[in-house]
Amino acid sequence: EPEVTQTPSHQVTQMGQEVILRCVPISNHLYFYWYRQILGQKVEFLVSFYNNEISEKSEIFDDQFSVERPDGSNFTLKIRSTKLEDSAMYFCASSDTSGTQETQYFGPGTRLLVL
Amino acid sequence: AQSVAQPEDQVNVAEGNPLTVKCTYSVSGNPYLFWYVQYPNRGLQFLLKYITGDNLVKGSYGFEAEFNKSQTSFHLKKPSALVSDSALYFCAVRTAHTGRRALTFGSGTRLQVQP
Repeated sequence: EPEVTQTPSHQVTQMGQEVILRCVPISNHLYFYWYRQILGQKVEFLVSFYNNEISEKSEIFDDQFSVERPDGSNFTLKIRSTKLEDSAMYFCASSDTSGTQETQYFGPGTRLLVL
Repeated sequence: AQSVAQPEDQVNVAEGNPLTVKCTYSVSGNPYLFWYVQYPNRGLQFLLKYITGDNLVKGSYGFEAEFNKSQTSFHLKKPSALVSDSALYFCAVRTAHTGRRALTFGSGTRLQVQP
């Protein structure tokens, strides 16, 4: 069964550094998403991406965040200057475009720790 | 704004007994409702969804959920619990509006099935 994959599984970085989290969505899916889960808190929506542009974003997704589909398979989340409060599990998800009822399928997550 | 409430942090049930994990929601317009399960160190795994039609939806691993519009609830149920069902369960909602796909998650309910 096709799966969403994410790399790396864990990332440790220093405050102020840039990080890029990578995702390979399910191959025939066209909608891509990033969510995050701060330890002990809810899973929160960050951004959705379709047709090479952001289709929706939350207030969390400020100027320090960006997303890109650099090629036909990868979908990335960049955090330009990490802060301590960016420490969280970041989940990528993808869905197809069969109507608007599509299910979002999630990857295993990248645990980001900012020191 | 949309929101989800999972009133129980933890549900304990004996193996073989029926289980219920509660979820109530708030959303503008018609809801699309989802249940996901998270096993330790794993991503969010889709269980089932309600989009329209029959209020009782069936999903993976023998789980089902009942949509109740008047009570704005979408409780997850299983007739006979297994020890392997022990995990963290998340309810999620999104609006049926075509341009908005962001999922809003509840805080999660930890299900503990005792042998």
